[in-house]
Amino acid sequence: AQSVTQPDIHITVSEGASLELRCNYSYGATPYLFWYVQSPGQGLQLLLKYFSGDTLVQGIKGFEAEFKRSQSSFNLRKPSVHWSDAAEYFCAVGARTSGTYKYIFGTGTRLKVLA
Amino acid sequence: GAVVSQHPSRVICKSGTSVKIECRSLDFQATTMFWYRQFPKQSLMLMATSNEGSKATYEQGVEKDKFLINHASLTLSTLTVTSAHPEDSSFYICSARAAGSSYEQYFGPGTRLTVT
Repeated sequence: AQSVTQPDIHITVSEGASLELRCNYSYGATPYLFWYVQSPGQGLQLLLKYFSGDTLVQGIKGFEAEFKRSQSSFNLRKPSVHWSDAAEYFCAVGARTSGTYKYIFGTGTRLKVLA
Repeated sequence: GAVVSQHPSRVICKSGTSVKIECRSLDFQATTMFWYRQFPKQSLMLMATSNEGSKATYEQGVEKDKFLINHASLTLSTLTVTSAHPEDSSFYICSARAAGSSYEQYFGPGTRLTVT
């Protein structure tokens, strides 16, 4: 069965430090992968996506993610975190289920940034 | 481009009443729309998938008679929570997939429903 795992429920980093949020997926075919960010009470904002091609994907706000097929991972990284990055981050896989492409979301990682 | 709106952004209703939430694709035609529910500090749970002009397909465990979904046009889908109860209080988010696009969904800003 398709699934997405975000092993870290909470992560705390200091402002200016680097960040890596982990995402592992289980899907039998080539996955379509997404990272979204959600601020409290807000909707989802797409950070980046991977459909095919270069496995290192650049996104908005200085984020990047690397697709590693051998590890079934799509980890999100940022070299220097800003206080405004504090939010909830969701990894998602686009998977064909019952004839329709649906998103399977991970449980999310809440990022806290220390000044 | 690819903007999805939801109305209202917040709604408070009394227990036993019904409330309708609208989801619109503003600058594209959406053949498929999705409705999600999100409990506090939890992930998004897909409730149903709707294709324009067809009946919605509900996920297992979602009461179709309670959560009525209508997708009458290529730019509008509605979710009606019937006979709402406090346990229906949640954050409801819709998304839309553009005609001709197989994969990517565009998300609305969400609607906070509080049932008193």
